[in-house]
Amino acid sequence: EIVLTQSPGSLSLSPGERATLSCRASQSVSTNNLAWYQQKPGQAPRLLIHGASSRAEAIPDRFSGSGSGTDFTLTISRLEPEDFAVYYCQQYGSSLPWTFGQGTKVEIK
Amino acid sequence: EVQLVESGGDFVQPGGSLRLSCAVSGFTFTDFTMNWVRQGPGRGLEWISYIDISGDTIYYADSVEGRFTISRDNAKNFLYLQMNSLRVEDTAVYFCARGPALFHPWGQGTLVTVSS
Repeated sequence: EIVLTQSPGSLSLSPGERATLSCRASQSVSTNNLAWYQQKPGQAPRLLIHGASSRAEAIPDRFSGSGSGTDFTLTISRLEPEDFAVYYCQQYGSSLPWTFGQGTKVEIK
Repeated sequence: EVQLVESGGDFVQPGGSLRLSCAVSGFTFTDFTMNWVRQGPGRGLEWISYIDISGDTIYYADSVEGRFTISRDNAKNFLYLQMNSLRVEDTAVYFCARGPALFHPWGQGTLVTVSS
């Protein structure tokens, strides 16, 4: 099983600031099959990034993903009020089970 | 508009059974594989089951293998999860999500509480 470790566990920032979230895999993620999701309280997760760096439809360009192999990053260039949420990475490669990181909470400072 | 709507969540005692449903609309159900993902209270996300278009290929997480059964009715556009021998640790919000392994979109979830 591929274990995904996200850091930091929480991030306290102000609107307009840059957020950098990390996701590290216990083994290489095949063909960069790494996604990022956003989840707000009481809501289902929403897909932001797939293939490590491709934005899903209708996702603003302030969200960007990068990385390969075992180290991946989600960057939110300028935080908007609606971006304060929990973010999860997920690997969806050929190795089952498909797994999620434990999440990073981005909260308002 | 693509919609996935789960139902069937309830309060059940350990050892009991429940059947969750996911009604799908807004896309051609038979073009997509489907999944169930759960989220325990205050916890992260856990993928638990996958089913392909025909229902011939099915996968489960170890945590539910042998107790849960995923199925689909392509004529009615429904996905199901039969949950038997429920345990306290199965308490979670259960989401259906369109596949294959990249989950998009998700339903709003249905709450299953297992407690004595």
